[in-house]
Amino acid sequence: DAGVIQSPRHEVTEMGQEVTLRCKPISGHDYLFWYRQTMMRGLELLIYFNNNVPIDDSGMPEDRFSAKMPNASFSTLKIQPSEPRDSAVYFCASSLRQGGNTIYFGEGSWLTVV
Amino acid sequence: QKEVEQNSGPLSVPEGAIASLNCTYSDRVSQSFFWYRQYSGKSPELIMSIYSNGDKEDGRFTAQLNKASQYVSLLIRDSQPSDSATYLCAPESYNTDKLIFGTGTRLQVFP
Repeated sequence: DAGVIQSPRHEVTEMGQEVTLRCKPISGHDYLFWYRQTMMRGLELLIYFNNNVPIDDSGMPEDRFSAKMPNASFSTLKIQPSEPRDSAVYFCASSLRQGGNTIYFGEGSWLTVV
Repeated sequence: QKEVEQNSGPLSVPEGAIASLNCTYSDRVSQSFFWYRQYSGKSPELIMSIYSNGDKEDGRFTAQLNKASQYVSLLIRDSQPSDSATYLCAPESYNTDKLIFGTGTRLQVFP
């Protein structure tokens, strides 16, 4: 299997621009997670989906962030408008099920907002 | 109090020594615990899971869990330079099944 695939790997954008991060989970995995990692706050769960349905978005920092999963093989995380404090590594991850199961991470999208 | 606390390090150990990584958590009813390893510039990968009090061994790695003390640790025997990475402790929230990651301990193994 190809693993979790994320794009873009790196993005530099100007403040105020829209950013869209994309993710393809491992085929057959029912759960998809979006995490954000910074030096100060570590790895934070933003939102997760089960069978394409958002289950918990309590980690989404504010209304500028939105996530969708239109089908089992694709998800997006959008930031509009972007701000410098959004600079971080955004990881997408997937697992077969929730609860005690291995989560597989993608390679991450490194976002810099200037 | 943070939900998961880890010493950020770096923890420096010589090659061949035992590295001991510690983690405390606040959720008293967490039942499942995970250790992830993250190399610099890479994504986290699972190396150990533990569910019961006591020790669990896997090769050079031993996870230790003490639920009464809300403490979990990871021992790495015969440390190698290739073990140099950040180790993330992740208890699973009992109520939500979500993994709550600590900020990690950076381990440096020097030759």
